[in-house]
Parts: sequence; structure tokens; C-alpha cells
Amino acid sequence: EVQLVESGGDLVQPGGSLILSCAVSGFTFDDYDMHWVRQSLGKGLEWVSVIGATFDTYYADSVKGRFTVSRKNAKKTLYLHMNNLKAGDTAVYYCVKDLEGALESWGQGTLVTVSS
Amino acid sequence: QSALTQPASVSGSPGQSITISCTGANGDIGRYNFVSWYQQHPGKAPKLLIYNVNSRPSGISDRFSGSKSGNTASLAVSGLRAEDEADYYCVSYTGTNTWVFGGGTKLTVL
Repeated sequence: EVQLVESGGDLVQPGGSLILSCAVSGFTFDDYDMHWVRQSLGKGLEWVSVIGATFDTYYADSVKGRFTVSRKNAKKTLYLHMNNLKAGDTAVYYCVKDLEGALESWGQGTLVTVSS
Repeated sequence: QSALTQPASVSGSPGQSITISCTGANGDIGRYNFVSWYQQHPGKAPKLLIYNVNSRPSGISDRFSGSKSGNTASLAVSGLRAEDEADYYCVSYTGTNTWVFGGGTKLTVL
């Protein structure tokens, strides 16, 4: 069974930093592209970032230059390093496994709150 | 990376069929067949219903089907059930190694 478990969400001040983690199991992590998607409370979904199986990375314009996605295949873990956080980054962040360009399997999400 | 356009809400009675539209631009839906649809119940993570325009993952009911014409993709739900009441989102690949979501549609089963 595919499982993705996010952690690291917290309350952080504007301008602060945070690292989210996503531990996976049930599939060969090395072989798959992995995404981060976020959802502001009561709002819609927003694609954030993707890291390919070959470690290429891409970002939404809204986070480019502030967020960095990485992976450690030996640990079967995906990361999202978030810097210079803004109030607009407040959201539940989901870790998602890719399937042919679609968002196949989702974690339960971790809440990031940016507030003073 | 402009969001795809979905109706805010649709409704139908049990047993009926509904369709949710998702309109993009030539650079996303119009150019690529990487369109997918998701169902989200309150407080839950989204669930993949359709990928590559009209493919269903294992375990997804054939009551859900997808299609595309030009810059508009559609999700059809037949034989509406109470448990289909949820938010539905479309997603398209944009061609620049990024993806874009629709704004979401709330389906109400009357």
C-alpha cells in the first residue's frame, strides 16, 4: 500500500523558514517524480513544485526563488525547504506521487501557518 | 500559470448525470493530454479520478469519465449518489514543467 506521511508544519513568523518532510513507503520511490501541492484553508488547490526521478526541479512562480524541493532516495523522503515565508504561504501542504503527469497518491497534509 | 476555469457549483439529483467543465488555454489543455480530475471530500486529501484526459486509475468507478475538446476538458458523473457530493478539481500540465489547477467545483447532490 502506498503511503505518504508529511511532517514539519508549524507556526512561523513572516520572513521565517521551515522544512517540510514526506516519508514514503509502498512503492519504489527512486522511480517516481514527486510533487508538492498546497491548499489554503477553505480555498482551492495550488501546485507548488515537482522533483523528477532524475532530480530536476521546477516551481510555481509564486514560490520560485524562495522554496527548494529535494529528495533523499536512500531515506525514501521528500523535502520542501521554505524561506522568506509570507502570509500567503499559509496552507496545508500535500506530498504527492506522480502517475504519468497526474497526481496519483496524496499524503494527509501538514499545516503551515505564517503569522506574527 | 493562470488558473483553469471551472464553474463554482453544479448540482443534480440521485441517479442523474452531471458534467463539470474545465477551460484552459492553448498552452495547456489545448496542447497537452495531461488533464486530470480530483475529488475532495471535506477534511480529506484529494483523490485522483481521471488522468490523461480519460483514463481511470484502478478502483475508480466507471460512473466517472473524462473528455476533452479544444481548450475545454470535462468530467462526467453518471448515476449520481449521495457520496459523490464533494469538491472537484481539474489539473493540466502547462508545458513548462509546471501544472495548473482549476478553481474547483462544488457538486451538490439534491
